[in-house]
Amino acid sequence: GAVVSQHPSRVICKSGTSVKIECRSLDFQATTMFWYRQFPKQSLMLMATSNEGSKATYEQGVEKDKFLINHASLTLSTLTVTSAHPEDSSFYICSATLAGGRYEQYFGPGTRLTVT
Amino acid sequence: AQKVTQAQTEISVVEKEDVTLDCVYETRDTTYYLFWYKQPPSGELVFLIRRNSFDEQNEISGRYSWNFQKSTSSFNFTITASQVVDSAVYFCALLKGDSNYQLIWGAGTKLIIKP
Repeated sequence: GAVVSQHPSRVICKSGTSVKIECRSLDFQATTMFWYRQFPKQSLMLMATSNEGSKATYEQGVEKDKFLINHASLTLSTLTVTSAHPEDSSFYICSATLAGGRYEQYFGPGTRLTVT
Repeated sequence: AQKVTQAQTEISVVEKEDVTLDCVYETRDTTYYLFWYKQPPSGELVFLIRRNSFDEQNEISGRYSWNFQKSTSSFNFTITASQVVDSAVYFCALLKGDSNYQLIWGAGTKLIIKP
């Protein structure tokens, strides 16, 4: 149980285009989902916390107009990288917590974004 | 301030050796949770263990064991009889003492198990 999927797993896009990444909790309802960014050989950097039906809470330094997050249901959150640039190339990971809060975060497999 | 320190950037051992990954944390909360996650080369993070601040019992799961010591603010992870499949980056994390389940992450320790 507690499976989180992400789609796509890899995406290559041209500079200036937008990319949408989906995060789904497959077998549980997730009241809270998180979006992380991970640079090579580094730890995870929290970008934003999103609760179903409300606006995401962004971490300091993360541009909310560039990284649009929508948490439309208890099983789906999306991250849209708008007007992507090469510096946005990274590994993006989502996670979800079970409704009721047992506190473990279950992670998706990640999305490798390359902006050319 | 809340902080997690994994001082070992990289550890390399030969298969079948035991290895301990260190994790030291800082928090002013009386209630908190500590976690270990494994990130294999595929990139997907795998949950290993959660420990709350009121439970100092050591935990063993197969070849994995965890030693939680509040007196030294440490939550170390030991793999006995290591195997090549254990090669991964291991992250220790601390749950902030509020309601939004935010994790404070250590920098990670890259574990290399040589055959």
